[in-house]
Amino acid sequence: GENVEQHPSTLSVQEGDSAVIKCTYSDSASNYFPWYKQELGKGPQLIIDIRSNVGEKKDQRIAVTLNKTAKHFSLHITETQPEDSAVYFCAASKAGNQFYFGTGTSLTVIP
Amino acid sequence: NAGVTQTPKFRVLKTGQSMTLLCAQDMNHEYMYWYRQDPGMGLRLIHYSVGEGTTAKGEVPDGYNVSRLKKQNFLLGLESAAPSQTSVYFCASRRAGGPYEQYFGPGTRLTVT
Repeated sequence: GENVEQHPSTLSVQEGDSAVIKCTYSDSASNYFPWYKQELGKGPQLIIDIRSNVGEKKDQRIAVTLNKTAKHFSLHITETQPEDSAVYFCAASKAGNQFYFGTGTSLTVIP
Repeated sequence: NAGVTQTPKFRVLKTGQSMTLLCAQDMNHEYMYWYRQDPGMGLRLIHYSVGEGTTAKGEVPDGYNVSRLKKQNFLLGLESAAPSQTSVYFCASRRAGGPYEQYFGPGTRLTVT
C-alpha cells in the first residue's frame, strides 16, 4: 500500500515568517494530494489540495507544490499569523478512494 | 445543514464490552469513511463505503465491523473492545466523483480500560 512520510513533526515560526511542511509518498499511482488543518478538539479540515496533473496551486497565503518524479509535495504558508497555529496533515490518494495520511506537523506561530 | 455528526462524543468501555459509533451526514454524500487517530500516527483508515449497502476494508480493519444500511449513516462496531482500540475516531464523507474533498465529523474519544 501507500506510505506517506511527513516532516517536520513540530515547527515554530515567528509571526510574519513563512512555514514549509514536506511530505513524500511511495505509490506512483497516487494522483490526489490534500492538506488538512486540525485545530484542538476538532476534526481535520481541508485547506488546499492538488492533483497530479498540476505542479503548483496557490490560495492566498497558502500554496502547495508537487514533484511527481521525486514523489514529494510541500505546503507553504506565507505571512504566518497566530491563527495558523494547528496540526497540519498531508495525505495521498488514488482517485479519492482510500486516503493515506502523514503523521502530522504541529505548527506554532509565535506572536 | 449539520454536515457530519458523530455520536457519542466520549465513551469509556471495559475490555470485552461492545459498542457502536454512529456517523450521520446530511450532504447526500456517497462515500463515507471511518478513521482512527493515535498520537504520532496521523489518521488511519479503518473501513469505508462507496455507497449505500457497500463496505470495504481500509488499512487497519481488524477488530471493527461496519454497516451502511442507509446512505446518510455509517456505523462502526467494536464487538469485543481491547485497550489497543483506545483512540479518537473520526468519520468523514465526500461526494462521488470529484472534487475529492472529505468533510470530517468532530470525533469520538474512546477509552478502553
